[in-house]
Amino acid sequence: QKEVEQNSGPLSVPEGAIASLNCTYSDRGSQSFFWYRQYSGKSPELIMFIYSNGDKEDGRFTAQLNKASQYVSLLIRDSQPSDSATYLCAVNTNTGNQFYFGTGTSLTVIP
Amino acid sequence: EPEVTQTPSHQVTQMGQEVILRCVPISNHLYFYWYRQILGQKVEFLVSFYNNEISEKSEIFDDQFSVERPDGSNFTLKIRSTKLEDSAMYFCASIPRSGRVYEQYFGPGTRLTVT
Repeated sequence: QKEVEQNSGPLSVPEGAIASLNCTYSDRGSQSFFWYRQYSGKSPELIMFIYSNGDKEDGRFTAQLNKASQYVSLLIRDSQPSDSATYLCAVNTNTGNQFYFGTGTSLTVIP
Repeated sequence: EPEVTQTPSHQVTQMGQEVILRCVPISNHLYFYWYRQILGQKVEFLVSFYNNEISEKSEIFDDQFSVERPDGSNFTLKIRSTKLEDSAMYFCASIPRSGRVYEQYFGPGTRLTVT
């Protein structure tokens, strides 16, 4: 069973702060890791993907991957109220093209 | 910008009825997916489809479900005899080719309500 675990939150941060979202996964064969943002009633929207251990930065977002610890995180710098959403961690294994999603972490950025 | 489209946006049906959910993937994409998300729960993979056949399916995708690409553009999910627990958002997605999973884009979803 391929599990992806996230703290469901809610996580609240003040505007301008750093939001830190965490995810662990069970399948050591997982190859690629994704963070999606989902607003209520909408479809998931890809924010970041990461394949290699270490950090990957894109604008205000940084994804961090540690395959030894089976851990992936997302940092959002200078958080904005528009960042308020549910953040989904997803994992793709090398056995196929399907994704396994976590339950998501609800983030609220307080103005 | 190309996008995945889905129709209808909301479908209400009675238990035991058949429903067909429709998707138009991005035109040059070759792999197609259906996911579902029960309210408040995680997004769950149902099935992937390539070259006019199912390439992978989950335990959820039982004999009540089927997929089809009846023409060059539409991709459909049929539920033969709906149950209350089929009520969920159903998302279609596509990627251009194998391995390009970072280019997976989701459609806006169809909300299925079974009464």
